[in-house]
Amino acid sequence: GQNIDQPTEMTATEGAIVQINCTYQTSGFNGLFWYQQHAGEAPTFLSYNVLDGLEEKGRFSSFLSRSKGYSYLLLKELQMKDSASYLCAVRYTNAGKSTFGDGTTLTVKP
Amino acid sequence: DGGITQSPKYLFRKEGQNVTLSCEQNLNHDAMYWYRQDPGQGLRLIYYSQIVNDFQKGDIAEGYSVSREKKESFPLTVTSAQKNPTAFYLCASSMRGSDNYGYTFGSGTRLTVV
Repeated sequence: GQNIDQPTEMTATEGAIVQINCTYQTSGFNGLFWYQQHAGEAPTFLSYNVLDGLEEKGRFSSFLSRSKGYSYLLLKELQMKDSASYLCAVRYTNAGKSTFGDGTTLTVKP
Repeated sequence: DGGITQSPKYLFRKEGQNVTLSCEQNLNHDAMYWYRQDPGQGLRLIYYSQIVNDFQKGDIAEGYSVSREKKESFPLTVTSAQKNPTAFYLCASSMRGSDNYGYTFGSGTRLTVV
C-alpha cells in the first residue's frame, strides 16, 4: 500500500506556531490534501498541493517536496479552536480517490 | 445551499442484519466515495464511483455493497458478511477536474452493532 506517516499527537500553546509533518510514498503521486477534523465531526478541506513549494491561506500554509515525499501543514497564531485532528491525504495516479494517513491530533493549550 | 447529506446520523444494527446508509448530494459532483473511520485512525476507502452506473472497490470492500443509479445518490449497504461494522461512515463527493477543492464530506453515520 501507500504508507502515509504523520505524528499521532502534538501539543502547542495558544498564539504559537506549529508544523505538522507528513511523509508518503512518491510512486504515482498526483496531489496532496490536508483536512481538519474536529472530534465527532466530518473532515473539512484545508489545502491542496501538487507542485513543489508553499501554498498560503491565511493562518494556514502547506508545503510540498515531491522528490522527498514530504509535506507539512503550518498553523500560525494558534487559537483554541484549532484543537482538532489534521489528516494528510494523497491521491495516487489520476483515479480521483485519496489515501489518508491516520491523522495528527493537535491540542492547543492556553 | 448545495451540500451532501447522510442519513441516519446514528444507526444500530443487530447481528446478521443488513443495513443501508444513505448519501445524497446536490453539488452536481461526478465522483462519490465511501470511507470508514475507526477510533483514532484515518479514513479507509470502501467503494468509490466516478460516474453513474459505475463503481470500484476500495481497500476494504468486503462485506459492503453500493449502487450508483443516479448522479446525486450513492447508498452503502453493510451486509451481514461484514464482521466488524461498528464505525463512523463518511460519504464524500468531488468534481472531476476541480481537484484543488478536495472532497466535500457529509456529516457521517455512526453505526453500532447491538
